[in-house]
Amino acid sequence: QKEVEQNSGPLSVPEGAIASLNCTYSDRGSQSFFWYRQYSGKSPELIMSIYSNGDKEDGRFTAQLNKASQYVSLLIRDSQPSDSATYLCAVREGGSQGNLIFGKGTKLSVKP
Amino acid sequence: DAGITQSPRHKVTETGTPVTLRCHQTENHRYMYWYRQDPGHGLRLIHYSYGVKDTDKGEVSDGYSVSRSKTEDFLLTLESATSSQTSVYFCATAGGYEQYFGPGTRLTVT
Repeated sequence: QKEVEQNSGPLSVPEGAIASLNCTYSDRGSQSFFWYRQYSGKSPELIMSIYSNGDKEDGRFTAQLNKASQYVSLLIRDSQPSDSATYLCAVREGGSQGNLIFGKGTKLSVKP
Repeated sequence: DAGITQSPRHKVTETGTPVTLRCHQTENHRYMYWYRQDPGHGLRLIHYSYGVKDTDKGEVSDGYSVSRSKTEDFLLTLESATSSQTSVYFCATAGGYEQYFGPGTRLTVT
């Protein structure tokens, strides 16, 4: 059974701090990795995708990928109360069809 | 935003009745997916489609069927609804690797 693991949280950080969200996965054949943000009662929203080892930055968000360690992370700099949400890690299965496997999510709370 | 709509947005139905949920997209994406989201389980794939009339089962397909007669529409049918199918259902689409989600349908089976 292919798995994606996330700490469920809640992760609480003060406004302006860096929030660090982590994810590990079991499928060594995975090549594509995604972070979604989901506000309470809303649908998941894609915020980052990463395909190569290393860092990828987009505004206040940085995704980090280490395929050897089967680890992907999301850093949120200068965290804002509006970043309070559940963050879902998703990993594309290895193979031609490549469906996504989702972690259960980490709930982030940014305190003013 | 992939221009995805779902209908209905909320539905309450009785055990044993058939239910059909609709997903409509305006992006001409090839791939479409149905997920359910439940506390403690996260998002789980029910069925997916990789083209018109081409569908396949996901992780939790028992009790569900799908149809895709047009690129833009993907229907999910609960043949005989059970209380265990009370959930939030999300449709997603993908033209490439990235999936985009619709607003969701909250289904309650009483």
